[in-house]
Amino acid sequence: DIHMTQSPSSLSASVGDTVTITCRASQTISNYLNWYQQKPGKAPKLLIYAASSLQSGVPSRFSGSGSGTDFTLTISSLQPEDIATYYCQQSFITPRTFGQGTKVEI
Amino acid sequence: QVQLQESGAGLVKPSETLSLTCAVSGGSISSYYWSWIRQPPGKGLEWIGYINYSGRTNYNPSLKSRVTVSVDTSKDQFSLKLSSVTAADTAVYYCARSSVVLRRAFDSWGQGTLVTVSS
Repeated sequence: DIHMTQSPSSLSASVGDTVTITCRASQTISNYLNWYQQKPGKAPKLLIYAASSLQSGVPSRFSGSGSGTDFTLTISSLQPEDIATYYCQQSFITPRTFGQGTKVEI
Repeated sequence: QVQLQESGAGLVKPSETLSLTCAVSGGSISSYYWSWIRQPPGKGLEWIGYINYSGRTNYNPSLKSRVTVSVDTSKDQFSLKLSSVTAADTAVYYCARSSVVLRRAFDSWGQGTLVTVSS
């Protein structure tokens, strides 16, 4: 299995800050890396697919980068509604695997 | 806009079989892969397995011996059976859609259903 490691596990930031979350794969996954946002009691929501492609309807303050084993999710100008847990996920091979999550607080 | 809705028993006894169904509406079940994903309370996400419209399946090896996913294209729904459940199988179970177009990302999710394993 490909192991996905996110850092940090949690962070606290202020409204308007730029937030960066990193995700590392245990082996190369090309750009088969996706990012999800999950709010309490809700299903995850796709933000970024293929490492850097913004899903339709997602605000442009969300962006992704990376290839191979190292990836980054950036939230520019953090908003109160961005409070959530963020997960990376590889879709390179099965079994599909997720990072452990990064909880973003204000 | 496709919508997914899970249904099934919310309480299952240990050693019995968990059964869930995901109804797909607002879109075709063809040309996509349909997955089950679970999340134990307060924990992270675990992919269980997928099926496509033609019935091809792929399961997480950690659960493969206990999992069966099937599809009913006439009803636009797919199902999960997980046998010999224990308390460790207590989780919110989600159904989700993925496609090659979006690099196999899960772009649509059901709201999730909590399944508790307890006697």
